[in-house]
Amino acid sequence: NAGVTQTPKFRILKIGQSMTLQCTQDMNHNYMYWYRQDPGMGLKLIYYSVGAGITDKGEVPNGYNVSRSTTEDFPLRLELAAPSQTSVYFCASSYRGGQGAGGANVLTFGAGSRLTVL
Amino acid sequence: GDSVTQMEGPVTLSEEAFLTINCTYTATGYPSLFWYVQYPGEGLQLLLKATKADDKGSNKGFEATYRKETTSFHLEKGSVQVSDSAVYFCALSPGTGRRALTFGSGTRLQVQP
Repeated sequence: NAGVTQTPKFRILKIGQSMTLQCTQDMNHNYMYWYRQDPGMGLKLIYYSVGAGITDKGEVPNGYNVSRSTTEDFPLRLELAAPSQTSVYFCASSYRGGQGAGGANVLTFGAGSRLTVL
Repeated sequence: GDSVTQMEGPVTLSEEAFLTINCTYTATGYPSLFWYVQYPGEGLQLLLKATKADDKGSNKGFEATYRKETTSFHLEKGSVQVSDSAVYFCALSPGTGRRALTFGSGTRLQVQP
């Protein structure tokens, strides 16, 4: 049972380069999210999706793009990398159900992708 | 908007000591409250949750009670172990609308043998 899989685990980019962080889940979850984690700052929501074809901005969307063509995949695109985007990125997913053990409020996280922009 | 405030860390305790990590929140309506734990090099995992006032969430010896009157959800454990060393995040989900969680800044716990 893979859960949420993120690739790559580590990446170093030069300023201005572009890249895509991949995220796949095999739990048939409707909701998917991208967060970034900066030291001492907790997690900030970048983008989220409530289903295939539907995405919306979170707190810190500038400099990022997402797409959701399938239920399983939710890639995060950085078009022009900047040092301010150096962070650890977490993808997460949740079920559309209610407030029970498998409900929409219970997130399953990937292991994270550490990105450094130099 | 919604927000979560946690006590700053790191919190350093000896094994078998009592643990409290404070968490307070600001939200409209009736949010659900969560504690997530992040072990070194891993993603976050749900530790416990509470969905309404006066609910107590518990797991692995950790407990937290949803106190609406004080807007708090403090995490407690009676006797910590070295294996509890991790970063603990308090989070809330709004009662309606968007399901994404709002996280606190995290509290690092270090337990010494």
